[in-house]
Amino acid sequence: SQELEQSPQSLIVQEGKNLTINCTSSKTLYGLYWYKQKYGEGLIFLMMLQKGGEEKSHEKITAKLDEKKQQSSLHITASQPSHAGIYLCGAILLWGTSYGKLTFGQGTILTVHP
Amino acid sequence: DTEVTQTPKHLVMGMTNKKSLKCEQHMGHRAMYWYKQKAKKPPELMFVYSYEKLSINESVPSRFSPECPNSSLLNLHLHALQPEDSALYLCASSHSVERGYTFGSGTRLTVV
Repeated sequence: SQELEQSPQSLIVQEGKNLTINCTSSKTLYGLYWYKQKYGEGLIFLMMLQKGGEEKSHEKITAKLDEKKQQSSLHITASQPSHAGIYLCGAILLWGTSYGKLTFGQGTILTVHP
Repeated sequence: DTEVTQTPKHLVMGMTNKKSLKCEQHMGHRAMYWYKQKAKKPPELMFVYSYEKLSINESVPSRFSPECPNSSLLNLHLHALQPEDSALYLCASSHSVERGYTFGSGTRLTVV
């Protein structure tokens, strides 16, 4: 079974609308990351959450980590075409002395129509 | 320097060829990673190096051979690949949980 469940798999919205993407883990998270990817390109780091109840914002994007540290949501306010892309949640489920095993959810393909 | 640099950006190779992918970072990160990403799928972890030693091998076929010559450089040697190995290969490095992972822009590999 998938360790990280991300939903929805795809999302089509009209420019200016708000949207939310969810990421649920079957295990307690050491850290939860949100990345954005354009097709065929590298991953762009958005933000990282570690503490239960933590919330971070950058421009029009807000991410939250629930108290039990097993679910996160990414919220985009007043979406723009520049927000379009693939959003990936990644979680560290194992952390060694200096490295972590970062596992990804299946991704959410976001399309924003002008 | 806050980047992970991957070369080449694109690579086409035959099934009998030997080629290498290169990854470089100068952020002082002591952990480096190789990920493989197939179309419309999330990245999947292949290898983890910590302090230049192989720490995780996710049961990757031996036709993929990683190498970490020094703390800034990570290579992936390719030999006798199959067409199904065609994918985007991503390199990443990390310092700590809090500082997160930095990904390169990837190498688009096509095996013919």
